[in-house]
Amino acid sequence: DTGVSQDPRHKITKRGQNVTFRCDPISEHNRLYWYRQTLGQGPEFLTYFQNEAQLEKSRLLSDRFSAERPKGSFSTLEIQRTEQGDSAMYLCASSLYLDRGLTFGAGSRLTVL
Amino acid sequence: AQKVTQAQTEISVVEKEDVTLDCVYETRDTTYYLFWYKQPPSGELVFLIRRNSFDEQNEISGRYSWNFQKSTSSFNFTITASQVVDSAVYFCALSEAYEFYFGSGTKLNVKP
Repeated sequence: DTGVSQDPRHKITKRGQNVTFRCDPISEHNRLYWYRQTLGQGPEFLTYFQNEAQLEKSRLLSDRFSAERPKGSFSTLEIQRTEQGDSAMYLCASSLYLDRGLTFGAGSRLTVL
Repeated sequence: AQKVTQAQTEISVVEKEDVTLDCVYETRDTTYYLFWYKQPPSGELVFLIRRNSFDEQNEISGRYSWNFQKSTSSFNFTITASQVVDSAVYFCALSEAYEFYFGSGTKLNVKP
């Protein structure tokens, strides 16, 4: 068990470009979450998958954001036409039993210039 | 409305002092879970403890202790004899069904 892996750890891009982040959860975890965290704030919920089904999507997630979890394994979060306000840490977390809480990855830091 | 409130934005203490981090939550569910996470400067959120809504027994783990009071909707976290390595941002979280809500965090600075 190698924990939750996220790639890339850092991404610097120019405004208007597309970026994609990947998350590999703990293998037996069927639940996967994406959160966004900005400086001085707690993680904000973006979206939730149970297996391959996307069950919940935050109002914060504009149409420029899309997430997938094909075959219920790894997940990708894509941001199209990035804006400076998208600069944040994007956190992935997974869980098997909700009462055990979430296991977080180290995050992917996005900087939009 | 905020589901989880951590009113203390930042706390500074001197090593060996005791410190309590406050957490107040809001929920209408009868079944829910409460958590504390630590985020050190390296950035990765680390799970510390969970509590379900039916278990108000306080818990002690080494220098850490947690006080859960349903009557005041609080789940406070105390570090006894703080150490420099305790310096981090601490988040309280509430889970209802499959949703997890985080507070804005309390930054703890422990000075030598």
